[in-house]
Amino acid sequence: EIVLTQSPDTLSLSPGERATLSCRASQSVTSSCLAWYQHKPGQAPRLLIYGASSRATGIPDRVSGSGSGTDFTLTISRLEPEDFAVYYCQQYGSSPITFGQGTRLEIK
Amino acid sequence: EVQLVQSGAEVKEPGESLKISCKGSGYNFEDSGYSLISYWIGWVRQRPGKGLEWMGIIYPGDSDTKYSPSFQGQVSISVDKSISTAYLQWSSLKASDTAIYYCARLEGYYNILTTWVSGAFDIWGQGTMVTVSS
Repeated sequence: EIVLTQSPDTLSLSPGERATLSCRASQSVTSSCLAWYQHKPGQAPRLLIYGASSRATGIPDRVSGSGSGTDFTLTISRLEPEDFAVYYCQQYGSSPITFGQGTRLEIK
Repeated sequence: EVQLVQSGAEVKEPGESLKISCKGSGYNFEDSGYSLISYWIGWVRQRPGKGLEWMGIIYPGDSDTKYSPSFQGQVSISVDKSISTAYLQWSSLKASDTAIYYCARLEGYYNILTTWVSGAFDIWGQGTMVTVSS
């Protein structure tokens, strides 16, 4: 099983700032099968990035993903109020599908 | 509009059985129309105050099901493609099953050699809250 470790656990930033979230895998993720999700309380998770760097439908270009192998990054430039939420990385290249523990992005 | 609509919240006692549902609409539930891409339905658990856990996925076309080792034998995933609905079922609930359960669509590439389908969850249901308490 591939274990995903996200850092930091909590990130406190102000609107307009840049957020950098990290996801490290215990072994190489097959074919960059790495996704990022945004999750707000009372709502369903929302796919942001798949294939490590491809934006899902409707996701603005200030959201970007990068990385390969075992190290992946989600970057949100110019934070908007609606960006404050919990973010999860997920690998789907091999079974079992696993999620990171999440990073909480909070308003400073 | 592509959407997954889940059944409502449930309150059960330990030992009881339960089956929750997830109905798809706005897309071909059992066939993407492309030979290399297929649509699956997955289930994800979120316990109170905790993160997301993958439980399993099912292919509506032929009911091929893959379980997480953590949930194998603990739950049963099924589908009725005639009504575009997937199910998650417990035969004997425990207090530790208290959680929100999400269904989600996986659009993925099926590898014949590995029999694994790789794809992200692009459409999610609204979640079903299950509370198990005596």
